[in-house]
Amino acid sequence: AQTVTQSQPEMSVQEAETVTLSCTYDTSENNYYLFWYKQPPSRQMILVIRQEAYKQQNATENRFSVNFQKAAKSFSLKISDSQLGDTAMYFCAFLKTGANSKLTFGKGITLSVRP
Amino acid sequence: DTEVTQTPKHLVMGMTNKKSLKCEQHMGHRAMYWYKQKAKKPPELMFVYSYEKLSINESVPSRFSPECPNSSLLNLHLHALQPEDSALYLCASSQGWGPGSYNEQFFGPGTRLTVL
Repeated sequence: AQTVTQSQPEMSVQEAETVTLSCTYDTSENNYYLFWYKQPPSRQMILVIRQEAYKQQNATENRFSVNFQKAAKSFSLKISDSQLGDTAMYFCAFLKTGANSKLTFGKGITLSVRP
Repeated sequence: DTEVTQTPKHLVMGMTNKKSLKCEQHMGHRAMYWYKQKAKKPPELMFVYSYEKLSINESVPSRFSPECPNSSLLNLHLHALQPEDSALYLCASSQGWGPGSYNEQFFGPGTRLTVL
């Protein structure tokens, strides 16, 4: 079984600053995906970024980037130039490749961006 | 179209009512999911449908009854719910569920359910 740990329940960052959200996971699988989902107060769960485990290069999507350390089983999300619209709950999630695979979510972290 | 839609957005029902939640996707996905989410918590998987057949039931009480009439549509029928069933109900879809499929899930906006 897989586990995903997000140890920080809340974080706050000043607008335009950079913030890093941490996530660790535990698995015996070698092939899997990792995701960061964003859920603003308006509730839609939106995919922010994905990382395939077999890729060594860290994924980036505009202001969002990850630091993927496979050996350490760490998958942190960096948000650069934070904006007020980044205020949301962020979930780290694990998905093993193959049949009948369920998403395993972390507990989530509430990020507040201060004006 | 990369969207999963859900109706209604909000639903208030009494414990003796019967209601249904609807989810629709037109991405050609063959797997669809129902999740229950309490405030400030991650989603909890309830059901998985693959090719219109129920593949996973995570020991959900029978007062929740899923239905998949076709590959684009997923319903959740509700009957005799309890106040503790009040939550956000999320629908999601993915390309597939079987061997070799890519299971990244796309979520709908959810239905906020309140049981009085």
